[in-house]
Amino acid sequence: AQSVTQPDIHITVSEGASLELRCNYSYGATPYLFWYVQSPGQGLQLLLKYFSGDTLVQGIKGFEAEFKRSQSSFNLRKPSVHWSDAAEYFCAVDSNDYKLSFGAGTTVTVRA
Amino acid sequence: GAVVSQHPSWVICKSGTSVKIECRSLDFQATTMFWYRQFPKQSLMLMATSNEGSKATYEQGVEKDKFLINHASLTLSTLTVTSAHPEDSSFYICSARDGLAGETQYFGPGTRLLVL
Repeated sequence: AQSVTQPDIHITVSEGASLELRCNYSYGATPYLFWYVQSPGQGLQLLLKYFSGDTLVQGIKGFEAEFKRSQSSFNLRKPSVHWSDAAEYFCAVDSNDYKLSFGAGTTVTVRA
Repeated sequence: GAVVSQHPSWVICKSGTSVKIECRSLDFQATTMFWYRQFPKQSLMLMATSNEGSKATYEQGVEKDKFLINHASLTLSTLTVTSAHPEDSSFYICSARDGLAGETQYFGPGTRLLVL
C-alpha cells in the first residue's frame, strides 16, 4: 500500500521569507500527487496537482511543487509567504484507484 | 467551478440520535464521492467511497451499519451517522470526483459533529 510522509509537523516562517514543505511517498509506480491547504475549521482547497509531464507544477496562491522521481518526493514551495498562508498543508497521493492517501500534514505559522 | 457544499456545517445532537450530512457537487456531476473523518490536529481518514447508483465501499474498520451512505444522484451523497455516540464526534469532510475531469477530488467545507 502506498504511504505519504510529511516529515515536518510544524514550520514557522517569517512573512516574506521562502517556504518549502516536504513530501515523500512510497509507491511502486508514479502516482498522482496533490497538495491541499486547510484553514482552521474548513475543508481542503486544492493548491496544485501532478499527473505527468513537466515535473515543476504551478498552483494557486503563488505555490509550486516539483516532482522528483529519484527521490520519491513532491515538495511544495513558495518564494515569499504572506500572513494568509498560515494553515495546515496536506500532501496526498492517488495510486490510480481514485482514493487519496494523505500525509499527516504540516502546520505553517507565519510570524510578522 | 468545482464547488462542493456540505450541510449542515455543524451539528450538535444527543447520544442515540441519528444525524444526516449532505454533500453536493454544485457545478459538476460527481460519479464518485468520498467521505472522510478528521480528528483534531490529525490528517484525513477515508471512511468510504460512494458511487452513484451503487452501494458504498467502506474502508477497513468502518462500520457500514453505523455510517450509512447513499449516493442517490450524480450531485448528492448523504452520510447518516446512526445511533450517534460521543466518540462519533468529529469533523466529517466529503469530496467529489468530477467524472469528466478525472482524478481530481474537490472537497466540501466539512461538517463538525458534536454528540452529547
